[in-house]
Amino acid sequence: AQSVTQPDIHITVSEGASLELRCNYSYGATPYLFWYVQSPGQGLQLLLKYFSGDTLVQGIKGFEAEFKRSQSSFNLRKPSVHWSDAAEYFCAVGATSGTYKYIFGTGTRLKVLA
Amino acid sequence: DTEVTQTPKHLVMGMTNKKSLKCEQHMGHRAMYWYKQKAKKPPELMFVYSYEKLSINESVPSRFSPECPNSSLLNLHLHALQPEDSALYLCASSRQGPTNEKLFFGSGTQLSVL
Repeated sequence: AQSVTQPDIHITVSEGASLELRCNYSYGATPYLFWYVQSPGQGLQLLLKYFSGDTLVQGIKGFEAEFKRSQSSFNLRKPSVHWSDAAEYFCAVGATSGTYKYIFGTGTRLKVLA
Repeated sequence: DTEVTQTPKHLVMGMTNKKSLKCEQHMGHRAMYWYKQKAKKPPELMFVYSYEKLSINESVPSRFSPECPNSSLLNLHLHALQPEDSALYLCASSRQGPTNEKLFFGSGTQLSVL
């Protein structure tokens, strides 16, 4: 079965600073990997996804993530954070066969200082 | 139209009430999902409908009753809920399903059970 860990519960960065949110997964093969963002009281919006191919994936809102098989990681990055990026970020892993159920990480809450 | 629409946005109900949550999508997606999300937690899968048939029930109590009248609509009927059922209820859809590909989420119904 797959699992996913987001080690950082909270992260605070200054506006304009770079950002990296960590995500580690466990799965026997190459999984489907996702990053979603959720603003307070809202649903989740997909930022980017990785299924196969180029290990550096570009997403919406200037986000990118890199799949590193050797480290079982899929970290989310942004070169310059905007105040509107303050939200909850969820990494998710999906199995490529068998049980069709996402596993969400516990989330990382991002605070942006003006 | 790339939206999943949920109504109502907020709902307050007593433990003896019967109410329903509604979800609608017009993207031609064939899978629809109900998730429950408690504050500061990731979404938890409740039900999955695939081609209008219930395909996954994550051992949800019978006081929650899902219904999929057609491929665009998903309802969640609520009866005799408990205060611990207070949460954000999210609907999602995907192109095929069940699937581990991209999910489109609605903005949710914030439910309070008194």
